Amino acid sequence: ETGVTQSPTHLIKTRGQQVTLRCSSQSGHNTVSWYQQALGQGPQFIFQYYREEENGRGNFPPRFSGLQFPNYSSELNVNALELDDSALYLCASSLGLLAGISYEQYFGPGTRLTVT
Amino acid sequence: AQSVTQLGSHVSVSEGALVLLRCNYSSSVPPYLFWYVQYPNQGLQLLLKYTTGATLVKGINGFEAEFKKSETSFHLTKPSAHMSDAAEYFCAVSSSNAGGTSYGKLTFGQGTILTVHP
Repeated sequence: ETGVTQSPTHLIKTRGQQVTLRCSSQSGHNTVSWYQQALGQGPQFIFQYYREEENGRGNFPPRFSGLQFPNYSSELNVNALELDDSALYLCASSLGLLAGISYEQYFGPGTRLTVT
Repeated sequence: AQSVTQLGSHVSVSEGALVLLRCNYSSSVPPYLFWYVQYPNQGLQLLLKYTTGATLVKGINGFEAEFKKSETSFHLTKPSAHMSDAAEYFCAVSSSNAGGTSYGKLTFGQGTILTVHP
């Protein structure tokens, strides 16, 4: 069984540029969540996708956007990069959303984004 | 709104000693509670979770946690620390949205770095 994978591992961008990060969910998982983890902080929820639809968003501006594809892989896009966007971006996949059932989220290794 | 407070950003113990990492949460609805571990330059690995039922939850690598509703706490313990336990530990909470469907958004604490001395 293949776990959650993310690409690239590391990325360096310049302020104002755009970036796309990719995530392949674990086999059989139809829900993907993205988190931003700044240095020394806990992860912060960006948004979640369930069956290709956005299913909730954290306190992040619209320049953070995402997609989920029919195979449930996902992309995180960030436009007009700012220095504060430098962080580890984590993708997590889970089985789905059902009332009364807590499906644990399985995290990928993350993409380390540095904005200069 | 949900929140998590982890008391102590750094905890240091000797190998073989008890590990106690503290977590308090705030949630307006019954919470789901999680502990994750993060090794350097890696993602998060689930240690254990509490949803409903038994309040003492056992996880991987000898860790366990007890849900105490009256104290809004979910502290993580391990009877005997091992050098390989050195890592950063995160407590997280999620809950159902108003419609009763698990939303799945995790709210994390700031993390506790565990150091284990020989």
